[in-house]
Amino acid sequence: AQSVTQLGSHVSVSEGALVLLRCNYSSSVPPYLFWYVQYPNQGLQLLLKYTSAATLVKGINGFEAEFKKSETSFHLTKPSAHMSDAAEYFCAVSEFGNEKLTFGTGTRLTIIP
Amino acid sequence: EAGVTQFPSHSVIEKGQTVTLRCDPISGHDNLYWYRRVMGKEIKFLLHFVKESKQDESGMPNNRFLAERTGGTYSTLKVQPAELEDSGVYFCASSQEKAKSDTQYFGPGTRLTVL
Repeated sequence: AQSVTQLGSHVSVSEGALVLLRCNYSSSVPPYLFWYVQYPNQGLQLLLKYTSAATLVKGINGFEAEFKKSETSFHLTKPSAHMSDAAEYFCAVSEFGNEKLTFGTGTRLTIIP
Repeated sequence: EAGVTQFPSHSVIEKGQTVTLRCDPISGHDNLYWYRRVMGKEIKFLLHFVKESKQDESGMPNNRFLAERTGGTYSTLKVQPAELEDSGVYFCASSQEKAKSDTQYFGPGTRLTVL
């Protein structure tokens, strides 16, 4: 069975600092991996996805993530945090794509002015 | 293009009552998913429709939950009778049946509180 672990339910970074949100997955077959973001009072919005093409995936709003098979990781990064990045971030895995998503517990990102 | 919409945005009911949640997917999307997030926990899959057929309902917690998608357009999720542990945010998502890596687009969710 597939699973996702997000280390750190709350992460705080200063404005302009590096954002690093961690995600490790477990899957019996090559996975599809996703990062979603939820801003207050809104639905989940796709940031980026890995679908077995390039291992470094670039998404919206300056975010990117790197698929590392040897580490079973798909960490999300952004070089310089903005106040508007404050939100909750979810990592998700799907084993066959277009199937059910298995989510991590989410990481709430706070940006310190 | 309109996104996924859900109604109501909030619902507060008493234990034992019935509640029906509605989801309107993006027009033309054959796939429709329901998920639920109980407070403080992960978002969990409930079921998946392809058009009007249930493709996977392995996440439905028990027979108090009934999902329908008549005509393959909008979907409803009925909880009858509601219990305290049913409280949470119910998300709906939709995607096109074009490729296995298609993005699921999520609605804003319905926050259900059972008192």
